[in-house]
Amino acid sequence: ETGVTQSPTHLIKTRGQQVTLRCSSQSGHNTVSWYQQALGQGPQFIFQYYREEENGRGNFPPRFSGLQFPNYSSELNVNALELDDSALYLCASTTQGERTEQYFGPGTRLTVT
Amino acid sequence: KQEVTQIPAALSVPEGENLVLNCSFTDSAIYNLQWFRQDPGKGLTSLLLIQSSQREQTSGRLNASLDKSSGRSTLYIAASQPGDSATYLCAVRESGYALNFGKGTSLLVTP
Repeated sequence: ETGVTQSPTHLIKTRGQQVTLRCSSQSGHNTVSWYQQALGQGPQFIFQYYREEENGRGNFPPRFSGLQFPNYSSELNVNALELDDSALYLCASTTQGERTEQYFGPGTRLTVT
Repeated sequence: KQEVTQIPAALSVPEGENLVLNCSFTDSAIYNLQWFRQDPGKGLTSLLLIQSSQREQTSGRLNASLDKSSGRSTLYIAASQPGDSATYLCAVRESGYALNFGKGTSLLVTP
């Protein structure tokens, strides 16, 4: 059973640019969530995808968008990058349901200069 | 609005000690609570998942308890080792799908 993988590991972008982060879900999982973790803070929920549709969103602006593909892999896109977007971005996969365990990937460290 | 608090923020103990990490939450209407470990700059490793109907879960040297009515959970680590040094995060799952995290407890176990 393969775990959750993310790419790239690290990324440096300039303010105003756009970025795409990628996530491959754990085998058998059909639901993926994205979280942002600033330094010294707990992860904050961005959004969740199930069956290629967004079905939950946290307090993040529309310039944060995502996609889920038929193979359950996922992308997080951030437009018009701001300095405060510098963070560790975590992807989590699970099966649908309120009581399921979530499994996280290693994260992508994004630095915006 | 659910708020999750972890105390202490940081903890340093000598190897071999038993220790308790605390997590409190303000709204008891949760589905479950999950404890994670995070090494510096890395992702989250799930340690224990406690459903709202359960009182505790155990895995090896780890034991997590849940008192939903009082909004508290504890993570007990027995016979701590230097390899246990990491940040420990608790997260609650409410209606919807998001996990709501605390800020974590940074643990250092010294040889």
